[in-house]
Amino acid sequence: IAGITQAPTSQILAAGRRMTLRCTQDMRHNAMYWYRQDLGLGLRLIHYSNTAGTTGKGEVPDGYSVSRANTDDFPLTLASAVPSQTSVYFCASSDSGDGGEQFFGPGTRLTVL
Amino acid sequence: GQNIDQPTEMTATEGAIVQINCTYQTSGFNGLFWYQQHAGEAPTFLSYNVLDGLEEKGRFSSFLSRSKGYSYLLLKELQMKDSASYLCAVRDSNYQLIWGAGTKLIIKP
Repeated sequence: IAGITQAPTSQILAAGRRMTLRCTQDMRHNAMYWYRQDLGLGLRLIHYSNTAGTTGKGEVPDGYSVSRANTDDFPLTLASAVPSQTSVYFCASSDSGDGGEQFFGPGTRLTVL
Repeated sequence: GQNIDQPTEMTATEGAIVQINCTYQTSGFNGLFWYQQHAGEAPTFLSYNVLDGLEEKGRFSSFLSRSKGYSYLLLKELQMKDSASYLCAVRDSNYQLIWGAGTKLIIKP
């Protein structure tokens, strides 16, 4: 692993289904972030974690949950997917939680039908 | 509210110079970032400004005026590979990044 990986690359999901997007980094960064990117809008922060064991809500947290059991992994779960959650999801990490330079994963393209 | 404005799209010619502007209104300011994002790919870091003035890095320069809530990214000697979206982001008082919608730059031969 080099940098940040995300899985799956893309997914089509039926509304109402549960889905977990995976994110793993090998840079030993303390902070990790989940964003969604929609056409015409900037990246919007869903949830973040400044260090293992802690998480916080971003701008658009409703319908999503995260956990940070260790430094490397930061999964994002959609408990019951809805069509408005169709988006490209990016995981990112930074050395500290002060919003410094962030390194992004390749993204997951999610379609909810 | 918090707001970051950038032009939606710009077109420039290979070999020329282009300036991409960004204006912001945020709750506090702790630095401004520029990222590049090629279509279908992840954003990658270009520059960071926290003090007023110009930061130069090769063909790319970034300028900041905190009093005016304004920044620009200057790209010189444009190459076809510079065709991408350029994202402006401001670190607010909570040290979270607030992102603009991005400027799609089209380079023509």
